[in-house]
This record gives sequence, C-alpha cells and structure tokens, in this order.
Amino acid sequence: SQKIEQNSEALNIQEGKTATLTCNYTNYSPAYLQWYRQDPGRGPVFLLLIRENEKEKRKERLKVTFDTTLKQSLFHITASQPADSATYLCALDTGGGNKLTFGTGTQLKVEL
Amino acid sequence: GAVVSQHPSRVICKSGTSVKIECRSLDFQATTMFWYRQFPKQSLMLMATSNEGSKATYEQGVEKDKFLINHASLTLSTLTVTSAHPEDSSFYICSARTGGGAVTGELFFGEGSRLTVL
Repeated sequence: SQKIEQNSEALNIQEGKTATLTCNYTNYSPAYLQWYRQDPGRGPVFLLLIRENEKEKRKERLKVTFDTTLKQSLFHITASQPADSATYLCALDTGGGNKLTFGTGTQLKVEL
Repeated sequence: GAVVSQHPSRVICKSGTSVKIECRSLDFQATTMFWYRQFPKQSLMLMATSNEGSKATYEQGVEKDKFLINHASLTLSTLTVTSAHPEDSSFYICSARTGGGAVTGELFFGEGSRLTVL
C-alpha cells in the first residue's frame, strides 16, 4: 500500500541545536516533494520544494535532502529557535503533478 | 506571497443544517483550487479538486452530494456541507496555486474553517 510516514512522536530539542525531521514514503514515485509548516488552528505555509533530480535544497536556516533510492526526505533546521516550534508536513506529488498527498506531520518543540 | 482567504474561520451549526465555506484568491487567479479536511492530530486529506467553470473532481470515498463544490469564478470556490452531522465536524482548508496552475508550484493555503456540528 502507499504510505507517507513522518515521525509520529513530537521532537523536542534545545534552542541552537539542529532539528532533523524525516519523511519516508512507499509505493510512490514523486517528481517532487514539498515541506510545509503548520501552526495550531492555521493553514499550512509552504517552505521548500525539491525535485527528484535534486539531492539538496537550502533556504536560510532550512535544508532539505531527497533520496529517491531510499524514498526518504530529511528536513533540517539549523540554529533552531523557539519560534520554529510548529508541526512540519511533507507532501508528495502523487498525481502526475496535480495532486499533493501529505504526511501526518511531526510536531517540533524548541525549548530554551 | 499570494493570499488565499477563507470564510468563516469558525462555524457552529445544528445537525441537519447546511454550511457554506468560501475560499478566495485575493491577488491572483486560480483556475484550480483544492479542498482538504483535517481531523485532530491527523494529516490533511484531499477531498476534491475544484475547477473553474466545470465540475469538481472528488477523491475516492468523498460524497459529492454531501460536499458540494462550486468554482464560479477564477477567484472564488465554495464548499457546502449539506445536512451536516457531528461526524462532519473537522477543519476544512482550501488551497490554490499561482503561476497559471503550474503543477510544481507551491500551494497557498487559506486559514482554514473549523466546523462544529452539534
């Protein structure tokens, strides 16, 4: 069956450390993958997109990797801050470019 | 970035009534909009793809007669939950792409509408 899995447990880290979130998928061959941030009671906000032919993408303190052999994407936040606390969702292209399917999300808490 | 506005943000209704949720793209035209539903601590589930000027495309398991979608203009899509029941209580979120619907474009999401059916 097709699945998109993210760390189900909340991730707690200390301010200043690097947070690493995982997105694993099975039985999909996405042309691209996206990461979103969602705060409680709000709609998701787009962060980064990485295509299947790209290994790594960076944006400020964010870094995303995409390994199509392992069927995995890693999302890193360096020098994390309490304001980074939120739920992070990965989303895969699962419909030939016109459909995004979301993972369950990982809740990140950055503590002082 | 582009702005998608959703209204109302919260609605409480009695069982059996119908509720309409509006989704507007404020500074761009959206040929296609997407409607998602999200239950607590769960992911966003795509309900349907709303196409301007034509019928919506519903995902498997979503009742099209219960969740009526109308995309009458390039900036407005509406979702009507007909004869709502408590199990329809959820967080409904719409989204749209810019760039003339370029398929790899990011999705811009509305703020979501929290529906509570008593």
